[in-house]
Amino acid sequence: QQQVKQSPQSLIVQKGGISIINCAYENTAFDYFPWYQQFPGKGPALLIAIRPDVSEKKEGRFTISFNKSAKQFSLHIMDSQPGDSATYFCAASSTGYGQNFVFGPGTRLSVLP
Amino acid sequence: ETGVTQSPTHLIKTRGQQVTLRCSSQSGHNTVSWYQQALGQGPQFIFQYYREEENGRGNFPPRFSGLQFPNYSSELNVNALELDDSALYLCASSAAATKAAEQYFGPGTRLTVT
Repeated sequence: QQQVKQSPQSLIVQKGGISIINCAYENTAFDYFPWYQQFPGKGPALLIAIRPDVSEKKEGRFTISFNKSAKQFSLHIMDSQPGDSATYFCAASSTGYGQNFVFGPGTRLSVLP
Repeated sequence: ETGVTQSPTHLIKTRGQQVTLRCSSQSGHNTVSWYQQALGQGPQFIFQYYREEENGRGNFPPRFSGLQFPNYSSELNVNALELDDSALYLCASSAAATKAAEQYFGPGTRLTVT
């Protein structure tokens, strides 16, 4: 129940295209869903996050779509750029002390010039 | 504003040895969490420290232990190292101990156990 599933494992997109990464969870106690971007040799960097009281959140070229009934959420990267090439992780957590983020296995995105 | 820093950057140890990794939290953050990231996988939660006490623990054996100091910096100690302990160890700090608080990661320490 603690698992977060993520797909695809890898993704190749042409410059200017839309990158879509999907995640699914089982634990209905999760109520905070961040996305992290990680470049080789670096720690994950917080990209964008959503709470289940909204169905969509947009920040620049990055959009999270959230479907509470399906227990799914996705990251859309519009106008993908070569600099977006990185590994993306979705995560989930719930409020309260002593618990922490459960991460998906990651999606390696390559944006071709 | 100073971000999360970790030391050392890389470390090579022999099976059975002990290792200590260090983390300085971001300015203004009082909570530190540690994660293990195996190659090609997502980070896995080891434990969290808040007000110098362990505030939650993932599925890791007791040979993984930690400390938090009054200045909110933290240490991760691993005893009796095993080959499977080879991974990137990440420290993340946040401004509160609730899970919904945004976590900011350091660059990690790459541990290799031979």
